[in-house]
Amino acid sequence: EDKVVQSPLSLVVHEGDTVTLNCSYEVTNFRSLLWYKQEKKAPTFLFMLTSSGIEKKSGRLSSILDKKELFSILNITATQTGDSAVYLCAVFDSGGSNYKLTFGKGTLLTVNP
Amino acid sequence: DSGVTQTPKHLITATGQRVTLRCSPRSGDLSVYWYQQSLDQGLQFLIQYYNGEERAKGNILERFSAQQFPDLHSELNLSSLELGDSALYFCASSSGQGGWETQYFGPGTRLLVL
Repeated sequence: EDKVVQSPLSLVVHEGDTVTLNCSYEVTNFRSLLWYKQEKKAPTFLFMLTSSGIEKKSGRLSSILDKKELFSILNITATQTGDSAVYLCAVFDSGGSNYKLTFGKGTLLTVNP
Repeated sequence: DSGVTQTPKHLITATGQRVTLRCSPRSGDLSVYWYQQSLDQGLQFLIQYYNGEERAKGNILERFSAQQFPDLHSELNLSSLELGDSALYFCASSSGQGGWETQYFGPGTRLLVL
């Protein structure tokens, strides 16, 4: 069974801090790893990673994938209160014709002023 | 606003009942995905439809079913409801058959089973 584990479960920081969120996975036929941000409503897409070692960057957020060690990290620098959210990691498994997207339980990030 | 609409926003019903959740994808999107999010299970993929046909199946219970209509809107039917079915149900859409990476999520329907 596919498994996605995120850590930490919860994190409280002050504005301006840098945070690193972790996602490790075990899937049968890895295709891609995705990061989402979920505030009070629906998840919004952040990054998709398919290749090891290539950093994806968007403003203060960046992410990288290690397919050998089966994990990804999401970095947020100079955090702001608006970064407070649950960050979800998901892995896309495309074994044969059976596609599956498995989510981790998420990391709750709270950024205090 | 993602462009994906879901109705109703909230639904309260009793155990044993049946409900239908509706989703309208973004204009032009052919794929619709359904997800369930609960406190204990997290976000789980249920099922995907592409242009009216079932394309992928996740952790969908036999008591649940879905369909996508010719106008591309989709409905998720939940029957013989149990307390544990209380959750937030999201619909998402994407333009392509394999557009998993670029899904746009709707605001969700919050279901409470009493």
